[in-house]
Amino acid sequence: AQTVTQSQPEMSVQEAETVTLSCTYDTSESDYYLFWYKQPPSRQMILVIRQEAYKQQNATENRFSVNFQKAAKSFSLKISDSQLGDAAMYFCAIEVTQGGSEKLVFGKGTKLTVNP
Amino acid sequence: DTAVSQTPKYLVTQMGNDKSIKCEQNLGHDTMYWYKQDSKKFLKIMFSYNNKELIINETVPNRFSPKSPDKAHLNLHINSLELGDSAVYFCASSQGWANSYEQYFGPGTRLTVT
Repeated sequence: AQTVTQSQPEMSVQEAETVTLSCTYDTSESDYYLFWYKQPPSRQMILVIRQEAYKQQNATENRFSVNFQKAAKSFSLKISDSQLGDAAMYFCAIEVTQGGSEKLVFGKGTKLTVNP
Repeated sequence: DTAVSQTPKYLVTQMGNDKSIKCEQNLGHDTMYWYKQDSKKFLKIMFSYNNKELIINETVPNRFSPKSPDKAHLNLHINSLELGDSAVYFCASSQGWANSYEQYFGPGTRLTVT
C-alpha cells in the first residue's frame, strides 16, 4: 500500500525567507505522480505543484519548487520569498491507481506559519 | 463560475438522522470523488465514480451511499449519523482516469453530528 509521510507537523518562517517542507512516500509503482496541495483557513484545497515521477527535472511554479529524489522517495517543497498568504496547511500526496481509477493518498499535513 | 460546488457548506444535525450532501461540477469531467477530512486534518478517499459508475469504495460503512445521477453530479447520503461522522467532506473531480489529471476540489462541507 502506498503511504505518504510528512514528518513536520508545524513549521514557521519569516516573511521573505525560504522554507522547505519535507515529504517521503512509499510505492511499488515505477510511474506515478506527486502533488503538493495547500489548504488555507478557508479550507479550500488548492493545487500548488505537481511532479511526474518519470521526469528528472524538478517542477517549479513561481516561488514554489520541489526537490524530487526518486531513489530516496523524497519530495520536498521549497517556498521562496515567503508571503503572509502562504500561511496554510500543506499536504503532500501521491496519486495511485486502483481498480482503473486514480485516487490521492495524502500525508498528515504540515501547518505553515508565516511571521511578519 | 464555480468549478466544483457543494451544498450545504455547513451541516449540523443530531445522531441517528439521515442527511445528504450534494456536489456538482461544471468542468465536463468524467470522474468524481468524495474525500473525508477528520478532526486531525487527515484526508482520505471514500469513493470515486467514473461516468456514473462506482470505481473505488474505500471500506466505508454502508451507512454512506454515494449516488451519481449524471456525470456532473455526485451526491453523498449518510444514514443513521454517528458522532464519528463529524468531519469535513470534500467532493473533487478530474478529467479522466488515466495518466493523472489534476483533481479539482469543492469548498468542503463541514458536518457536525451532536
